Amino acid sequence: AQSVSQHNHHVILSEAASLELGCNYSYGGTVNLFWYVQYPGQHLQLLLKYFSGDPLVKGIKGFEAEFIKSKFSFNLRKPSVQWSDTAEYFCAVNAAGGYNKLIFGAGTRLAVHP
Amino acid sequence: DGGITQSPKYLFRKEGQNVTLSCEQNLNHDAMYWYRQDPGQGLRLIYYSQIVNDFQKGDIAEGYSVSREKKESFPLTVTSAQKNPTAFYLCASRAGPQETQYFGPGTRLLVL
Repeated sequence: AQSVSQHNHHVILSEAASLELGCNYSYGGTVNLFWYVQYPGQHLQLLLKYFSGDPLVKGIKGFEAEFIKSKFSFNLRKPSVQWSDTAEYFCAVNAAGGYNKLIFGAGTRLAVHP
Repeated sequence: DGGITQSPKYLFRKEGQNVTLSCEQNLNHDAMYWYRQDPGQGLRLIYYSQIVNDFQKGDIAEGYSVSREKKESFPLTVTSAQKNPTAFYLCASRAGPQETQYFGPGTRLLVL
């Protein structure tokens, strides 16, 4: 069965610090990978996604993620965080092709202090 | 204004009562989904539907039921058989197999 593991449940950073959130998945086949973000009181929204092609994916608000197939990883990065990045971040994966269901990680709560 | 709407935002239910959560989308998406979000557990799939009049159980379907009579609507009923119904419920939709899922604002259900 597919599963997604997010290594950090809570992360606290100061503004301008660099961010890296880990995500590993278990599935032997071709996958689509996603990072979603949930700002306080707002909808869950897509941050970035990887379907195929360049494994370094750029998303909104300066976020990027790198798909490393050999490590089954899709870590999220941002070189310099802002207070407005305070949110909960979810990594998700689904088997490529068809309406295969999306499997979510447990989420990482990020708090950025001014 | 296109998107996914869920109502109500907050819902209170007495133990033993069934309650129905609404989800409507005007995006013309074929597939719709219901998730449950609990702290520290991420999102777990309850039910999903790829086309009208068809739906499948997700990972935690027990105590829930759905219907898909119209493309734009996918209501979720939380029955009295659901042992721990207090949670945040999210509805999502997707245009096609290789498309992104988009989420509604959610309904927070509290059982008293």
